[in-house]
Amino acid sequence: KNEVEQSPQNLTAQEGEFITINCSYSVGISALHWLQQHPGGGIVSLFMLSSGKKKHGRLIATINIQEKHSSLHITASHPRDSAVYICAVKEEIQGAQKLVFGQGTRLTINP
Amino acid sequence: KAGVTQTPRYLIKTRGQQVTLSCSPISGHRSVSWYQQTPGQGLQFLFEYFSETQRNKGNFPGRFSGRQFSNSRSEMNVSTLELGDSALYLCASSLRQGAVNYGYTFGSGTRLTVV
Repeated sequence: KNEVEQSPQNLTAQEGEFITINCSYSVGISALHWLQQHPGGGIVSLFMLSSGKKKHGRLIATINIQEKHSSLHITASHPRDSAVYICAVKEEIQGAQKLVFGQGTRLTINP
Repeated sequence: KAGVTQTPRYLIKTRGQQVTLSCSPISGHRSVSWYQQTPGQGLQFLFEYFSETQRNKGNFPGRFSGRQFSNSRSEMNVSTLELGDSALYLCASSLRQGAVNYGYTFGSGTRLTVV
């Protein structure tokens, strides 16, 4: 079983729909990241969370530390939101840090 | 403020050769970490450098190595290339103060093809 599990793996929706991507993890973490990757490979960091909720424009990220679960929501989705969304948790052991990634969710928003 | 710069963007190498990839972090960022992305395995952590020292290493063979220079620029080297090393190699820089890492900024990656 992967340390970081995302669902769904693929998601297709119509423009304007409310989108939710889920991430569950099984390890102790110091932070959780939501990343966006467009075709071509470039990765953009959307959020870094250690508790609660963050909002940036139409994007909202939440984390529940006790349940080891995070969600990424997109309101009023648009075709330009089409991308792969990746959840990554930061493990920290004796000062050594590394990111452990989910397998990604491929989101397609149709006009 | 310039972003994280990776060079080259694309590279084709032959099995058995070696390759060196470069990553220049955002000015002021002293932590650089490297990742490999393949269709089968997804994104995997290779190593992290901070203040010219390797702080952590992922589960990769010794053919994968790296270093960091005094200006925080980092290189990773893969020796004796195998077909399975074909991947997108990404680096990320972060502002790390002591044990605290303040988020990551990723480069555009180097796409390596081994033939």
